[in-house]
Amino acid sequence: DAKTTQPPSMDCAEGRAANLPCNHSTISGNEYVYWYRQIHSQGPQYIIHGLKNNETNEMASLIITEDRKSSTLILPHATLRDTAVYYCIVRPPNAGGTSYGKLTFGQGTILTVHP
Amino acid sequence: NAGVTQTPKFQVLKTGQSMTLQCAQDMNHNSMYWYRQDPGMGLRLIYYSASEGTTDKGEVPNGYNVSRLNKREFSLRLESAAPSQTSVYFCASRDRGRWDQPQHFGDGTRLSIL
Repeated sequence: DAKTTQPPSMDCAEGRAANLPCNHSTISGNEYVYWYRQIHSQGPQYIIHGLKNNETNEMASLIITEDRKSSTLILPHATLRDTAVYYCIVRPPNAGGTSYGKLTFGQGTILTVHP
Repeated sequence: NAGVTQTPKFQVLKTGQSMTLQCAQDMNHNSMYWYRQDPGMGLRLIYYSASEGTTDKGEVPNGYNVSRLNKREFSLRLESAAPSQTSVYFCASRDRGRWDQPQHFGDGTRLSIL
């Protein structure tokens, strides 16, 4: 799986947009970008994923650069409940063998939303 | 929607005791996974089940066994618990119908072994 690089921490004011960057310069053509978050003491929560087009759902938007070497997760109106560790993961859609479906979680970005 | 349900939420064991962690999903997913998460580390895959009737080892299978009881349930067993197995255990499931489908996680079992 491609390696990802994220800033260790970020701050955001409540009500403002939170833009979380991720660098994945070694991404391969069939690898998707997935974003998860983990709120303290809870399991990882799926947010959004994409291949090359920008994606939007009820939680967030995902912007992938044209060369696919980086992406940005956007939380349009951050709330205090969005304080969490955010993980950017790159993997092929259906990896076989011992890595089947495995998600490799790095250190992520600790997002703190302030009142 | 319950999603992925794990029981128990907390457990304390003594070294050498055995225990089974339970996981059930109500999303009709084919694939299920067990991960462990240690402080300051990412999740590591212990075992997975690509579909009902199959199980395979992940990165850190030693000291664990699994059973895919049916499509809904995937259990993780510690036969002789060791302090090194103190961790938070997460179960996840995934729909194989679409090949890019994400995994969905339960809220974990916090296991301490004394």
